[in-house]
Amino acid sequence: NAGVTQTPEFQVLKTGQSMTLQCAQDMNHEYMSWYRQDPGMGLRLIHYSVGAGITDQGEVPNGYNVSRSTTEDFPLRLLSAAPSQTSVYFCASSSSAGLYGYTFGSGTRLTVV
Amino acid sequence: DAKTTQPPSMDCAEGRAANLPCNHSTISGNEYVYWYRQIHSQGPQYIIHGLKNNETNEMASLIITEDRKSSTLILPHATLRDTAVYYCIVRSANAGGTSYGKLTFGQGTILTVHP
Repeated sequence: NAGVTQTPEFQVLKTGQSMTLQCAQDMNHEYMSWYRQDPGMGLRLIHYSVGAGITDQGEVPNGYNVSRSTTEDFPLRLLSAAPSQTSVYFCASSSSAGLYGYTFGSGTRLTVV
Repeated sequence: DAKTTQPPSMDCAEGRAANLPCNHSTISGNEYVYWYRQIHSQGPQYIIHGLKNNETNEMASLIITEDRKSSTLILPHATLRDTAVYYCIVRSANAGGTSYGKLTFGQGTILTVHP
């Protein structure tokens, strides 16, 4: 059972470039979320989804888009990368709205130069 | 949504119990207390959660005060591998609550377990 898989593990982008961070889970979880973590900080919610076709904004959504066409996948798109988006990005999934805990991926370390 | 307050850091000797406090004085009746930990920049790991009663699982125990304004996470026999940042989080149990399904992370407590 792979759990939550994030790719790539590391990425360097130039300012203005776009890219998609991938997140996939094989646990048939309906809830999926994206968080970012800046150095020395806690995680902040970017976007979340309560099921296929349903997404909503979190605390820091600007500069990011998401879609949820399948239960398994929840990609995060950076439209035009900025140095302020240098961060570690974590994807998480859960059943029952996280009542019994979220499962997190291992993260994508993104640097924008 | 209820906010939490945790000490920034704590130390514990290996083999001893680690008791991590959390204050959530504005918690409402339909909000759960959750604990997660993050080991060395890995993804956070769920530990335990509770509403009113004390809870125990294979990882830890959670003690919630009777007025629910504070709680303590107990790692009964801390090991070096328990060195991590521990996050105390409150979230709504009701689908109508703004924190339902979401986790709001604070700064957490850095627990260092010493040999």
